[in-house]
Amino acid sequence: DVKVTQSSRYLVKRTGEKVFLECVQDMDHENMFWYRQDPGLGLRLIYFSYDVKMKEKGDIPEGYSVSREKKERFSLILESASTNQTSMYLCASSFAGFGSTYGYTFGSGTRLTVV
Amino acid sequence: AQKITQTQPGMFVQEKEAVTLDCTYDTSDQSYGLFWYKQPSSGEMIFLIYQGSYDEQNATEGRYSLNFQKARKSANLVISASQLGDSAMYFCAMRGTGANSKLTFGKGITLSVRP
Repeated sequence: DVKVTQSSRYLVKRTGEKVFLECVQDMDHENMFWYRQDPGLGLRLIYFSYDVKMKEKGDIPEGYSVSREKKERFSLILESASTNQTSMYLCASSFAGFGSTYGYTFGSGTRLTVV
Repeated sequence: AQKITQTQPGMFVQEKEAVTLDCTYDTSDQSYGLFWYKQPSSGEMIFLIYQGSYDEQNATEGRYSLNFQKARKSANLVISASQLGDSAMYFCAMRGTGANSKLTFGKGITLSVRP
C-alpha cells in the first residue's frame, strides 16, 4: 500500500560529500516536490517538477539540485553537503490539473545529519 | 503570494475533550483549497481534511471538522473527542488555482493529549 517511497529513513553524511535522496511514487502523479522541515520553520519548498526532465526552483533551492529522468522518480542532490543542511527532507507527489482540490501524498521522510 | 499563519504555541487538551487549532491565511486567488495535515512523531504527513473556497458547508471527516470563515480568512481545525493518538504536529496548508499551483504550509502546531 506504499505510494511514495523515500530510499532512506535516516542518513549520516560528512561535510563536502555529494548526497542523493531518492523518491519514487507509484500513483502516476505528474507533480513531485521536495521539502525540508526544520523546527519552528515548517515545511519549505526546495524544488518541484511538473513533468519528466522539468524542474523549477522553490523557496530555498541554494545548495541543492534535482533530477527527474522518469515520471515516477524524483531525486534531490546535495552537491557538497554542509552542516546547515542537516534536516528532515520530505518528498511529495500530486496530480496536476486545474482547480485546487489536489492535495499531496507524502513519503515518510529522510532525516539527514551532516557531520 | 500565499501565506499561512499558525501562531498558537504548543496546545494541550484532555482526552475526550474537543480542541480547536487556529489557522489564518492570505491569498489574492479567488479560488483556492485549504488542507490540514497531521504529522506524528514517526514523521509521515497524513492528510486530514480539505475545504474548497467555494464550498458552502464546512468540511467534516469523522472527528475532524474545518471551521471555515472566508471573510475572516480563517480555517480552524476542530478535533472532537480527543484521543491519545491525536498527539502530533498539525499543519495548515493552502493551494491556489492553476495547473501547477503549490501547497504553502504554515509552521505547524504541536498538540499534546493528556490522559
